[in-house]
Amino acid sequence: TQLLEQSPQFLSIQEGENLTVYCNSSSVFSSLQWYRQEPGEGPVLLVTVVTGGEVKKLKRLTFQFGDARKDSSLHITAAQPGDTGLYLCAGDKSGNKLVFGAGTILRVKS
Amino acid sequence: DVKVTQSSRYLVKRTGEKVFLECVQDMDHENMFWYRQDPGLGLRLIYFSYDVKMKEKGDIPEGYSVSREKKERFSLILESASTNQTSMYLCASRRAGPTGELFFGEGSRLTVL
Repeated sequence: TQLLEQSPQFLSIQEGENLTVYCNSSSVFSSLQWYRQEPGEGPVLLVTVVTGGEVKKLKRLTFQFGDARKDSSLHITAAQPGDTGLYLCAGDKSGNKLVFGAGTILRVKS
Repeated sequence: DVKVTQSSRYLVKRTGEKVFLECVQDMDHENMFWYRQDPGLGLRLIYFSYDVKMKEKGDIPEGYSVSREKKERFSLILESASTNQTSMYLCASRRAGPTGELFFGEGSRLTVL
């Protein structure tokens, strides 16, 4: 059983569409991170959210941390082919190790 | 440019062989991690180390051991490889404390025949 449930598992959309990826848990996290991984590479950090209710924007990407610090979402506006990749959320409980969700594979078609 | 380097990108081993996967980081990070990545399961923590010669089991330590003799180097050892250990192995490092970024290597894809 995944401590962090990500949905959807797979998303295939056309360029220009909007999308949201969800990361849910019954556990409280001190912080939550989102990573993106491209084929043949390791994951790379996109953002860290720390405060309940926090919203962070990174160009066309908007990240939100739930008020209770149990869930998070990633919204992409006007998706582009360069957004294609595996998106992973990761929650920090102990301050040393992160727990990862199963990931969302995003494919943006031109 | 900060870096986590894994020794082998691709390995093919036979059942029962001993396998060493090595990882080196140049950021002077206290914490180092070994994950395995399988489709639909995300990243699962095998072992991590928060200091030289210190280690803690992660979620799936069975069949694996680790070694950290120097701060910059963290090795994953499969004493007797089995087919169910065929996977992508990712090493990562992170400074001590919460909210720090995990820096990953490019991964080592291990196939056990």
